[in-house]
Amino acid sequence: KQEVTQIPAALSVPEGENLVLNCSFTDSAIYNLQWFRQDPGKGLTSLLLIQSSQREQTSGRLNASLDKSSGRSTLYIAASQPGDSATYLCAGGSNYKLTFGKGTLLTVNP
Amino acid sequence: NAGVTQTPKFRVLKTGQSMTLLCAQDMNHEYMYWYRQDPGMGLRLIHYSVGEGTTAKGEVPDGYNVSRLKKQNFLLGLESAAPSQTSVYFCASSYPGEQYFGPGTRLTVT
Repeated sequence: KQEVTQIPAALSVPEGENLVLNCSFTDSAIYNLQWFRQDPGKGLTSLLLIQSSQREQTSGRLNASLDKSSGRSTLYIAASQPGDSATYLCAGGSNYKLTFGKGTLLTVNP
Repeated sequence: NAGVTQTPKFRVLKTGQSMTLLCAQDMNHEYMYWYRQDPGMGLRLIHYSVGEGTTAKGEVPDGYNVSRLKKQNFLLGLESAAPSQTSVYFCASSYPGEQYFGPGTRLTVT
């Protein structure tokens, strides 16, 4: 059974800092690894998807990498802004079934 | 293009009552999912569908039923609500691949 762990559970940083969120998974037979953002009381917004043989994806200030052999994914956020404050979730699994981590609550202080 | 929509947004039920949550997507996605999100437990898959007329059990299917009579709609039913079903329910869809989420339904069972 796939288990996904996110460390740290909460992170507080000053504006402008570069930061890394970590995600680890127990089953390396992972097909998709997806990062989401969730604002309080809202649904999940997809940030990046790493599929199959891909190793990383980039979108603006975000970069996600996947290392199946070590069972790890990281989400790198460059030049953080207060608007980046949210809970970040990673999820991994097959093409139709994802297992979610419990998230990292990020606070970016002005 | 509305994406994934959920009806209703909020609902309060008494123990033993029944209700149906409606999920609709306008992206012509094949796969649809129902999740529940609880504090400290993260997101857990209830049921999913890989195409019109198909359904399958996820991680926590007990007490719920689903139907996918039309490709764009995925219904989640609670036949006899219990306080343990108090949660936020999210619907998602995918082509397969990247999952897109609805805004959620907050259900309280008293």
